[in-house]
Amino acid sequence: QEQLVESGGGVAQPGTSLRLSCAASGFSFSGYAMHWVRQAPGKGLEWVADISYDGSEKNYRDSMKGRVTISRDNSKNTVSLLMTNLSPADTAVYYCARDAGHQGFSNYWGQGTLVTVSS
Amino acid sequence: DIQMTQSPSTLSASGGDRVTITCRASQSIRGWLAWYQQKPGKAPKLLIYRASSLESGVPSRFSGSGSGTEFTLTINSLQADDFATYYCQQYHSYPYTFGQGTKLEIK
Repeated sequence: QEQLVESGGGVAQPGTSLRLSCAASGFSFSGYAMHWVRQAPGKGLEWVADISYDGSEKNYRDSMKGRVTISRDNSKNTVSLLMTNLSPADTAVYYCARDAGHQGFSNYWGQGTLVTVSS
Repeated sequence: DIQMTQSPSTLSASGGDRVTITCRASQSIRGWLAWYQQKPGKAPKLLIYRASSLESGVPSRFSGSGSGTEFTLTINSLQADDFATYYCQQYHSYPYTFGQGTKLEIK
């Protein structure tokens, strides 16, 4: 069945970079747009970025533009999120989620990976 | 950005109750709204999309309605498994935005 597994989280120092990855299985990965959504501890959900099925279109939340880059490798069934110049405000669980199919909402989610930005 | 405002923030109810959560958009999003359920330490789960379409496998006691700027999620005959936090999300325009969440607690 459909599965998404995030990795790459951990503790990072302010000002550094981190790349998160999400490995997909159980569905035709190259046919779906993918999203990253984050959730700060005890807070609500925040959409971060998405990428079209073929990687030709990418969208980002305004507050993170210029600091994050979403990418995908359809040959490896993976989607990545590179975050630079990290700050404590980036501390959150980052979820990878599959779009329902050129829709904008997500019907499959990974378990999340925790990013903690602290000195 | 389109602001999504949910009410109430917290809702206390008992098993068997019928509850309604409201989500308001700062501008019209037509019917481009989804509802998710999230339990502590878990990923969100899609319940409703396009304002009123029930995701496959979701119990029929969940229903959604609305269009434009005002939407509701109704849960009939609350079950123990329904006590969780609920989020609405607009996908009318970028950046996609979520409501702040409604925590459904046991009374």
